[in-house]
Amino acid sequence: DSGVTQTPKHLITATGQRVTLRCSPRSGDLSVYWYQQSLDQGLQFLIQYYNGEERAKGNILERFSAQQFPDLHSELNLSSLELGDSALYFCASSVTARMNTEAFFGQGTRLTVV
Amino acid sequence: TQLLEQSPQFLSIQEGENLTVYCNSSSVFSSLQWYRQEPGEGPVLLVTVVTGGEVKKLKRLTFQFGDARKDSSLHITAAQPGDTGLYLCAGAQGGSEKLVFGKGTKLTVNP
Repeated sequence: DSGVTQTPKHLITATGQRVTLRCSPRSGDLSVYWYQQSLDQGLQFLIQYYNGEERAKGNILERFSAQQFPDLHSELNLSSLELGDSALYFCASSVTARMNTEAFFGQGTRLTVV
Repeated sequence: TQLLEQSPQFLSIQEGENLTVYCNSSSVFSSLQWYRQEPGEGPVLLVTVVTGGEVKKLKRLTFQFGDARKDSSLHITAAQPGDTGLYLCAGAQGGSEKLVFGKGTKLTVNP
C-alpha cells in the first residue's frame, strides 16, 4: 500500500460525458502528479500541483483540467470524453516539488469510454 | 518520437536465468529512475541514479547509469517469478520539472 488513494477504481462512461477522478496523497506529501497510461503511449505526465498551485504541465488536453484543494487532495476532470481517452489514470504524490524525488503512485483509475 | 527507448519490449525467461534490460536516449538526464509495475497496481520506485557511471545494487538487481547520463541498464541475476512485471525507466532533465517515462519492458519469469 503506497498510501495514495484513488477513486473510483473503474469507470465506464459514454462519449461526450464528463468525469471526475479523485486522489488523496500520502500524509505529509504536498505534491500531486497526474499521469495517463495507455498501451501505445506508455505513461504520460499530465500535470503537477504543489501545495495547491499548479507546478508543471505536460501533455494535458484542453478538455482536461485538475485542481488541488486546501486539504491537498486533487481532482482530475475529463470532459467531452472520446474513445481515445480510455486509459489508466494514475495519481502520484511526493514530499517535495522536484519530480526526480521519490513519488508514490496510487492504484489508478481505469477509464473506459464507450 | 519516444525520448526514452526501452528494450526489449517483451522478455520471457525461465527461473534462474540472468537478464539485462536497457533504457536509451539521445538526451542527457540529470537523474534516472527505475520503477516496477505489477498488473492492477501503480509503478513502484526501485532506484534513482544521478551520477554518470553510477552503479547501484538492490539484492539481485544491478542498475547502471551511463557515463554520459544518456542511458541506463538493469541487470537481474537468477530471476525469480516474483520479478515478473513491467519495468519502467524515467528521466528528469535539468531545468525541466517533467519526468519522462519509457514505454517499459514487460518481463515474465516462468517457474
